[in-house]
Amino acid sequence: DAGITQSPRHKVTETGTPVTLRCHQTENHRYMYWYRQDPGHGLRLIHYSYGVKDTDKGEVSDGYSVSRSKTEDFLLTLESATSSQTSVYFCAISESGSSYEQYFGPGTRLTVT
Amino acid sequence: QKEVEQDPGPLSVPEGAIVSLNCTYSNSAFQYFMWYRQYSRKGPELLMYTYSSGNKEDGRFTAQVDKSSKYISLFIRDSQPSDSATYLCAMIDFGNEKLTFGTGTRLTIIP
Repeated sequence: DAGITQSPRHKVTETGTPVTLRCHQTENHRYMYWYRQDPGHGLRLIHYSYGVKDTDKGEVSDGYSVSRSKTEDFLLTLESATSSQTSVYFCAISESGSSYEQYFGPGTRLTVT
Repeated sequence: QKEVEQDPGPLSVPEGAIVSLNCTYSNSAFQYFMWYRQYSRKGPELLMYTYSSGNKEDGRFTAQVDKSSKYISLFIRDSQPSDSATYLCAMIDFGNEKLTFGTGTRLTIIP
């Protein structure tokens, strides 16, 4: 695996609670991405970052926020978790924005009850 | 209608068979075409990519692109149980620099 770790790997939380997922890379890649993966929908982009403090929205950004204060860390926050945010969340990195090759982390399985 | 359509399967074939996985797409701006493999409880990993119409071969794997029909395929020859995974097609439009994924096809190779 590329040097990408995600924490936590599993989490169960209650509706309405805030949740933060962390992605950490050791590859010094400029671009970082957060995806969610759901049956019937595949991988959908939530937010991405093209540098420290530079972020932008993806296809399914409502209810999510992100922050990147260091090259190696990209945080995804669910301000008030809902059951529709139960999913598997993947972080990915790439050297450039137009790179067809993204390296994915191992994923975080989040359940909102 | 989704930009990328992929039959979710599941698809089960006996060991040694030739496997054909396919995706169709509607956005003519897609320029690069990728296949990612995802083992259970793991993140996707890039398997192959192609740029132009035609075939690209890598060992037992062949990726095929037909831009005129907006159709891509992945062929696996001499399939092995270790090929059992979900295969995701993906495409990139350099205009917006976003990868668009298919939903994935779950493949099982039966020993």
